[in-house]
Amino acid sequence: QVQLVQSGLEVKKPGASVKVSCTASGYNIDSYGLSWVRQAPGQRLEWMGWISGYNGDAHYAQKFQDRVSMTTDISTSTAYMELSHLRSDDTAVYYCARYDTLEGMFDRWGQGTLVTVSS
Amino acid sequence: DIVMTQSPLSLPVTPGEPASISCRSSQSLLHSNGYYFLNWYLQKPGQSPQLLIFLGSSRASGVPDRFSGSGSGTDFTLQISRVEADDVGVYYCMQALQSPFTFGPGTRVDIK
Repeated sequence: QVQLVQSGLEVKKPGASVKVSCTASGYNIDSYGLSWVRQAPGQRLEWMGWISGYNGDAHYAQKFQDRVSMTTDISTSTAYMELSHLRSDDTAVYYCARYDTLEGMFDRWGQGTLVTVSS
Repeated sequence: DIVMTQSPLSLPVTPGEPASISCRSSQSLLHSNGYYFLNWYLQKPGQSPQLLIFLGSSRASGVPDRFSGSGSGTDFTLQISRVEADDVGVYYCMQALQSPFTFGPGTRVDIK
């Protein structure tokens, strides 16, 4: 069955970078996109961007354009999201989600990775 | 950016009774392919979001048929025909028509 398994809890200091991984199984990663969504405490879900599993093209939300990098490693069916220059308001649960670009839906989600930014 | 709003933000429900959540977008979600790029997700307590409805009215695989989506243009509705205890959580609508994809604020559904 389709599964997305994310890396574990991260605690970072302000100004540092974090890299979260998302390993896919049960489907061909190059047939779908992979999107990243975060949820700060008590806040709504916030879309950060997506990367094509087919050609590696990444598309970022303007808000994160200068600080985020999304990549994939097809050989290990793993996607990565790196966020730099962390601030306290980046504290959130970060989710990866399989993105069906034809039907515009996130149909499978990872379990989430809590990133805490604190001095 | 397309702004998504939902109402109500909190919805106490009685098991066996119907429930309805409204979602409104700041501009039409009609794609050039003729479909509305509007999804509904449910985030159960302590879990990741799960897809319920895509393209405005198509039920995702494994979703019970008591869930249905409808609407057009900028106004959409999620209906639960008979609420069950397992349906508690926060329901989000999301537009996937235009970057950045945006979510509504969520509607918290709990049992009375």
